[in-house]
Amino acid sequence: DAMVIQNPRYQVTQFGKPVTLSCSQTLNHNVMYWYQQKSSQAPKLLFHYYDKDFNNEADTPDNFQSRRPNTSFCFLDIRSPGLGDAAMYLCATSRVRVNTEAFFGQGTRLTVV
Amino acid sequence: AQKVTQAQTEISVVEKEDVTLDCVYETRDTTYYLFWYKQPPSGELVFLIRRNSFDEQNEISGRYSWNFQKSTSSFNFTITASQVVDSAVYFCALSGQVSGTYKYIFGTGTRLKVLA
Repeated sequence: DAMVIQNPRYQVTQFGKPVTLSCSQTLNHNVMYWYQQKSSQAPKLLFHYYDKDFNNEADTPDNFQSRRPNTSFCFLDIRSPGLGDAAMYLCATSRVRVNTEAFFGQGTRLTVV
Repeated sequence: AQKVTQAQTEISVVEKEDVTLDCVYETRDTTYYLFWYKQPPSGELVFLIRRNSFDEQNEISGRYSWNFQKSTSSFNFTITASQVVDSAVYFCALSGQVSGTYKYIFGTGTRLKVLA
């Protein structure tokens, strides 16, 4: 059974139209991550939550926001998607931040038209 | 600096051949962990192995084996008797501290194509 679930798998949005991607987990892990992965590149960390503590990467654009209303759910909001935001967005969880494996969802492939 | 280098961008092998994926890392930490993940076409990164910096024993799991050598800062991954289902992108990652925050530092990945 899937332990990290991302919805939708594919999302098409219009240039500048806000979009929300969702992630849920059944592992009860403390940490949830959002990564952006563009074609043939490594995943790039956007931000992560340790419980309710939000940690933003210095180079994450302000256009990207996140919410974690409870342990199980985390959302990625893109306020005004640009063509350059088209990518695969991966959600991951880990029990703690340090030195433990992360479990990934299947990703949401975002297309901006 | 914390860095993971996977110099092989793409490798093609014929089914049943053995193949080794290279991973070289840089870290200032004395305690750190290394990982390998598999990303099949479906997109999900699948965890394969975690190795801590104090354990240099090689590990074997079925057709997979890993060779960790601190002296050369390498953590290489070998698939024996490769199969078409092994075709995927493989990422090596390091868990380390960057700007005061622990995070996973991924290599750029190696795309493995196993041909029937």
